[in-house]
Amino acid sequence: AQSVTQLGSHVSVSEGALVLLRCNYSSSVPPYLFWYVQYPNQGLQLLLKYTSAATLVKGINGFEAEFKKSETSFHLTKPSAHMSDAAEYFCVLRGTSYGKLTFGQGTILTVHP
Amino acid sequence: GAGVSQSPSNKVTEKGKDVELRCDPISGHTALYWYRQRLGQGLEFLIYFQGNSAPDKSGLPSDRFSAERTGESVSTLTIQRTQQEDSAVYLCASSLAAGGYTDTQYFGPGTRLTVL
Repeated sequence: AQSVTQLGSHVSVSEGALVLLRCNYSSSVPPYLFWYVQYPNQGLQLLLKYTSAATLVKGINGFEAEFKKSETSFHLTKPSAHMSDAAEYFCVLRGTSYGKLTFGQGTILTVHP
Repeated sequence: GAGVSQSPSNKVTEKGKDVELRCDPISGHTALYWYRQRLGQGLEFLIYFQGNSAPDKSGLPSDRFSAERTGESVSTLTIQRTQQEDSAVYLCASSLAAGGYTDTQYFGPGTRLTVL
């Protein structure tokens, strides 16, 4: 069975502060992991993806994520939050079934001035 | 077109009516996926098409749901005898599926279905 758990449905940070969105996964096979972002009134966009080539993955808009097999985690970080980062973020797993994605519940990021 | 398109963007229907949702994938993408996002919940996989292979229907919640795809083009998701619990945003995605297990899925803007 595959599953994705995002810790915290809502995260609030100040502009300029560190962003940390937590994601843990469960997969019976080596996983492929993604972070997608959904800005208000827009569709889902790919932020970054882990494909086993490198454990530290850099994405768009200054985001990065580190794959830690021992912790079954794939947390998303950004050193300095910007107001434009306010959105909902989804951690996503592709495991045993080609094509099928398993989504986490999503984390809504709010950035305060 | 440049991206995945879906129509209609919004659909309001009465309980018991049938609805059809349409998805136009990115040109050249052989794989197409349907997902559902109910209010306050994550996305649920519904069905997956890959070329001429039999579709993966493992996510369809009931036999009221069906989907078709002609070749590598448009897909329609049909919900028969709609129920209030079918209210959700229905998302379509496509990917190259050129043998890469990690092919990125590109999502459309979704169709918001409201069943009264």
